[in-house]
Amino acid sequence: DIGMTQSPDSLAASLGERATISCKSSQSLFSSSNNQDFLAWYQQKPGQSPKLLIYWASTRESGVPDRFSGSGSGTDFTLTISSLQAEDVAIYYCQQYFNSPLTFGGGTKLEIK
Amino acid sequence: QVQLVESGGGVVQPGKSLRLSCGASGFIFSDYAVHWVRQAPGKGLEWVTFISYDGSTKHYKDSVKGRFTISRDNSKKAVYLQMSSLRPEDTAVYFCARGRGSGSFLIDYWGQGAFVTVSS
Repeated sequence: DIGMTQSPDSLAASLGERATISCKSSQSLFSSSNNQDFLAWYQQKPGQSPKLLIYWASTRESGVPDRFSGSGSGTDFTLTISSLQAEDVAIYYCQQYFNSPLTFGGGTKLEIK
Repeated sequence: QVQLVESGGGVVQPGKSLRLSCGASGFIFSDYAVHWVRQAPGKGLEWVTFISYDGSTKHYKDSVKGRFTISRDNSKKAVYLQMSSLRPEDTAVYFCARGRGSGSFLIDYWGQGAFVTVSS
């Protein structure tokens, strides 16, 4: 199984600040078949189901604000929120969809300072 | 719009069985793969199982192999998760989720979830 490790476990930032979440995989998620990394980011707000934010490590899902961006390749990935808004309070998960079993990171809880 | 609605959750004793259903609307159901993902109380997300668009390919998490069975009925736009020999550690919210494409592992839409509590 591919292990997914997120850091930090929790993060508090001020409104308008940049927030950065790291995700590391135990093996490369890059596929030469399509030159893409099989890495997605999800946002789960309290009491809600998860929502897809980013896929192929850096492609923003339709309708997701452009303050959310994904970067990285291979085994090291980052989700960045450029200017934190109150509605961004949530738990963020990375997930590999390179192979089965699909695996998620442990989640990063983002709060407003 | 894409909608996935889970049903069938509840309280069940250890060792018993339960079947979850997931009804879909807002897209051509027979063109898409489906996953089940669970979330234990206060915990993170855990992928459980996958079925391809036509039901020909299925994958399971090791800890549920032999106990859980995923199936689908494209004529009814529904996916089912038959859970047997349930254990307390299976207690969770079970989300039905759509795969982006016929055999895609990428999950793009999620249902609201069904609570399953395994307790005596």
